[in-house]
Amino acid sequence: GAVVSQHPSWVICKSGTSVKIECRSLDFQATTMFWYRQFPKQSLMLMATSNEGSKATYEQGVEKDKFLINHASLTLSTLTVTSAHPEDSSFYICSAISPPGGRDTEAFFGQGTRLTVV
Amino acid sequence: LAKTTQPISMDSYEGQEVNITCSHNNIATNDYITWYQQFPSQGPRFIIQGYKTKVTNEVASLFIPADRKSSTLSLPRVSLSDTAVYYCLVEKSGGGADGLTFGKGTHLIIQP
Repeated sequence: GAVVSQHPSWVICKSGTSVKIECRSLDFQATTMFWYRQFPKQSLMLMATSNEGSKATYEQGVEKDKFLINHASLTLSTLTVTSAHPEDSSFYICSAISPPGGRDTEAFFGQGTRLTVV
Repeated sequence: LAKTTQPISMDSYEGQEVNITCSHNNIATNDYITWYQQFPSQGPRFIIQGYKTKVTNEVASLFIPADRKSSTLSLPRVSLSDTAVYYCLVEKSGGGADGLTFGKGTHLIIQP
């Protein structure tokens, strides 16, 4: 199946700093990617939809100025957590769909990024 | 989106067949049923998808009755490495194009 690579797999940062997480589709082009957040022992929650060449769409309750999403190419989306605080510590997961919008579309997930803000 | 209900946890033993049932009473005509597996600190992994009757792949089988209000994921001869959280999702045709709504999942624990 298609491969989605996420980097870094874990990061520790100081409170108030910004962290960038990359999501790449390695063997296919993804016009749409998704960002999820998962707190310990909870399910994945969709944060935003990243569209290549246009602004991201954020789910209700997700601050777009805090979680900056850039999807500048068909194989790369980035999530930047700005002015991170300890409550932003979580597991962030991206996914991409392939093929786009078809009946057999399947979602492929990155390996996730464990963010710890100290 | 159709809401799904599945057991919070299950346990079984190596070599056994495990069946996890998911209820989705409000499933729509165009909805597909998809199961994902997630290990700790990893992203979910697609297991199987179906629309009706039975689907089988190298990993699992998916049984869907005629009314499609429920589905059962069947894992044959489980091993310790099958310990994971299993999510049942109902997706519109064109699967995943609008992002996925995950429920709480079923935490499956396999014991020796």
